[in-house]
Formats: sequence, structure tokens, C-alpha cells
Amino acid sequence: QKEVEQNSGPLSVPEGAIASLNCTYSDRGSQSFFWYRQYSGKSPELIMSIYSNGDKEDGRFTAQLNKASQYVSLLIRDSQPSDSATYLCAVNSNSGYALNFGKGTSLLVTP
Amino acid sequence: DADVTQTPRNRITKTGKRIMLECSQTKGHDRMYWYRQDPGLGLQLIYYSFDVKDINKGEISDGYSVSRQAQAKFSLSLESAIPNQTALYFCATGQGSTDTQYFGPGTRLTVL
Repeated sequence: QKEVEQNSGPLSVPEGAIASLNCTYSDRGSQSFFWYRQYSGKSPELIMSIYSNGDKEDGRFTAQLNKASQYVSLLIRDSQPSDSATYLCAVNSNSGYALNFGKGTSLLVTP
Repeated sequence: DADVTQTPRNRITKTGKRIMLECSQTKGHDRMYWYRQDPGLGLQLIYYSFDVKDINKGEISDGYSVSRQAQAKFSLSLESAIPNQTALYFCATGQGSTDTQYFGPGTRLTVL
């Protein structure tokens, strides 16, 4: 069973702080890694993708990938109350047919 | 207009009824997926299709069936709905070697 693990949270950070969300995965053959944001009752929205080791920045978001440690993270700088949501980590399967999703980390940004 | 649409958005039905959830996309993607989401359980893959002639079971396909009517349309059926099929159902599309997926708005299904 290919697994993607995330701390369920809730992770609470004050407005303006950096939120750090972490994810580990078990399939060493995975090549594509994604972060989705999901507001309560809404559908997952793709916010970041990363395919090679290192950092990838997009606005306030930075994704970090370390394939040797099987670890991917998402940093949100200058966190806003509107960032309060559940963040899903997704990793592609080595068999190439689908994504494996973690159960998500709930983030709460307090004013 | 939304790239991935799902109908209906909300449905309440009774045990034993047949239900069809529909998904349409204008993204031109070959791959389509059906997921269900229950609180605390994350997204679970029900079925996926890589093209019109290719249908595959996911991790929780029992009690469900699908039809890929065209590249743009992928329907999920519950032949005889039961209460533990009450959940949020999402359709997703994808294309390319990266397996990037894009989700529809979801259908909230309640089986009484």
C-alpha cells in the first residue's frame, strides 16, 4: 500500500507568520508531488506542483522536495486568515495510474 | 465557465434507489477520475479512465459502476444506494506524464 502521511492538525499560526506543512511518502518511485488546498465543503484546488529536489516558489508559497528523505513540504509566508483550509499532499504512483492523497492538514490562521 | 462540471451538486435519495452522478469537462484531458471523500478519511479513488475504451477500478469500487460516454463525459452510478455511500463525490481530470489532476466542484450525496 503506497502511503502519503500528513499530520492532521489543526496547525494554528498567527496572521503574518510562516505556516509549515509537511508530508512523507512511501513510494520511492514517485516523480510528481502536489499540494492542494481545500476549503470546507469545496473541491481540492491545485496550488503547487514540484518534480525535482529543492525549492519551488510561487508567490507566498514555497514547495520543498527531498526525494532521498521521501519528504515534501509547503511553506506559506505572510499567512492570511483566508489561507485557513485543509492542505492535501498528493504523490503520483510509480505505476502511473493515479495520485495517492494524504488525509490533509488543517491550517488555521488567526487574526 | 467551469472546466470540470458535475451534476447534480446535491442529491438526497433513499436506500435501494439507483443514482447517477455526471461529470463533464472542457479541458480536453484524456484521463478522468471519480473520488469519494468522507470526513477524516481523505480522498478515496473509486474508478478511473485513461480514455473512452479504458476503465479501471480504484480502491473502493464495490457498489459503484461507471461509464465513459465520450472523452469529455464520465458518469458514476450507484445501482442500489445504501446509507454508507453518503459522502462528497468528486470528479477529476488529468493529462500528461505528471499526473496533475483538476477537480470538479463535487456532488454532496445523502442516502437515507
